[in-house]
Amino acid sequence: QVQLVQSGAEVKKPGASVKVSCKTSGYTFTGDYMHWVRQAPGQGLEWLGWINPKSGETNYAQKFQGRVTMTRDTSITTAYLELTRLRSDDTAVYFCARDLSLKGASTWYGTDYFDSWGQGTLVTVSS
Amino acid sequence: EIVLTQSPATLSLSPGERATLSCRASQSVSSYLAWYQQKPGQAPRLLIYDSSNRATGIPARFSGSGSGTDFTLTISSLEPEDFAVYYCQQRSNWVTFGGGTKVEIK
Repeated sequence: QVQLVQSGAEVKKPGASVKVSCKTSGYTFTGDYMHWVRQAPGQGLEWLGWINPKSGETNYAQKFQGRVTMTRDTSITTAYLELTRLRSDDTAVYFCARDLSLKGASTWYGTDYFDSWGQGTLVTVSS
Repeated sequence: EIVLTQSPATLSLSPGERATLSCRASQSVSSYLAWYQQKPGQAPRLLIYDSSNRATGIPARFSGSGSGTDFTLTISSLEPEDFAVYYCQQRSNWVTFGGGTKVEIK
């Protein structure tokens, strides 16, 4: 079965950086885009962007451009999210989420919907 | 940015009742809308994609409809495990989520 297992909780000071990992299993890692979504305490969901694990191509939400970097290591089927210059309002649970692939007439295509999720990683930014 | 507005913020119902949740987009998203369910301490779960298609393993009591700017998620008869927060999400122009509707036990 598909599994996305994230790294543990982090506590960081303002201005620092954090790197969260998402170890995958149960499917072809390079076959589906990986997205990152965050959720501040008691709040809704916010999309940060995606990475194509096959090519390494990335696409970041405008709000996070310049502060976010998504990478992957195909040898260990793991995706990473790094967020720099942390602020207190970056305190949130960060989720990795696999892109839903659908079968078209002759090929599979990505959708920007999220059909499998990691358990979440709480990042707390506090002085 | 496309803003998704969900209503009501909270829906108080009893098991067995019908739940109707609304999601309105600030501009047309065609049919590129999904619904997720989230329980406390858990990751969201995909219920519906492309407005009306149930995701794998989702019970038939969940249905979605709508296109353009107005969308509805209907739960035909609430089961105890359906009490949760529901989010809509569009993929027409980047990705954004609605603010959520909490379905609570009356």
